[in-house]
Amino acid sequence: NAGVTQTPKFRVLKTGQSMTLLCAQDMNHEYMYWYRQDPGMGLRLIHYSVGEGTTAKGEVPDGYNVSRLKKQNFLLGLESAAPSQTSVYFCASSYSPIVEQFFGPGTRLTVL
Amino acid sequence: TQLLEQSPQFLSIQEGENLTVYCNSSSVFSSLQWYRQEPGEGPVLLVTVVTGGEVKKLKRLTFQFGDARKDSSLHITAAQPGDTGLYLCAGNNAGGTSYGKLTFGQGTILTVHP
Repeated sequence: NAGVTQTPKFRVLKTGQSMTLLCAQDMNHEYMYWYRQDPGMGLRLIHYSVGEGTTAKGEVPDGYNVSRLKKQNFLLGLESAAPSQTSVYFCASSYSPIVEQFFGPGTRLTVL
Repeated sequence: TQLLEQSPQFLSIQEGENLTVYCNSSSVFSSLQWYRQEPGEGPVLLVTVVTGGEVKKLKRLTFQFGDARKDSSLHITAAQPGDTGLYLCAGNNAGGTSYGKLTFGQGTILTVHP
């Protein structure tokens, strides 16, 4: 089993460009999450999903959109990238909201 | 908004020393998790504590959940270079508007020198 995978691993964007980050899990988990990690700020929740076809806002949702069309995939979109979105993005999944979250390896995004 | 204050933010020690990392909040959590993250990788769960006053041991690591379930600590005995990494606490509230979401502390970067 691959667990949680993220595509791409690295990306450099110019201000105003758009992109989509893909997260895939093969553990049949209902819950999926997108976080961003910045120095000294831990992990902050962007959006999450409690099941296929559902999404909800987290702590820092502005500038991001998500979709969960298939249970195993959770997409994070940036419509118009800004330098403030330079960060490392982590996807996670879990079978229940009160147990362990399994994290992907992260995507390092730089917006110039 | 629930907040978790983690301290210290940085810790640099010599091999063999003991250390404690603290995680404090004014909010009550139904459970608290500790994760460890190595450079270039995602966090990996070390332990989950659920009951107030609970103590769990994982080899040289001891985790404690406060009686009021508002704080937690991680104690490492005789630290080794392999313990180097980022340690994150994360609180889980099983009810209300925070259901299904973890609140993370800022993290503690631990460096253990040989």
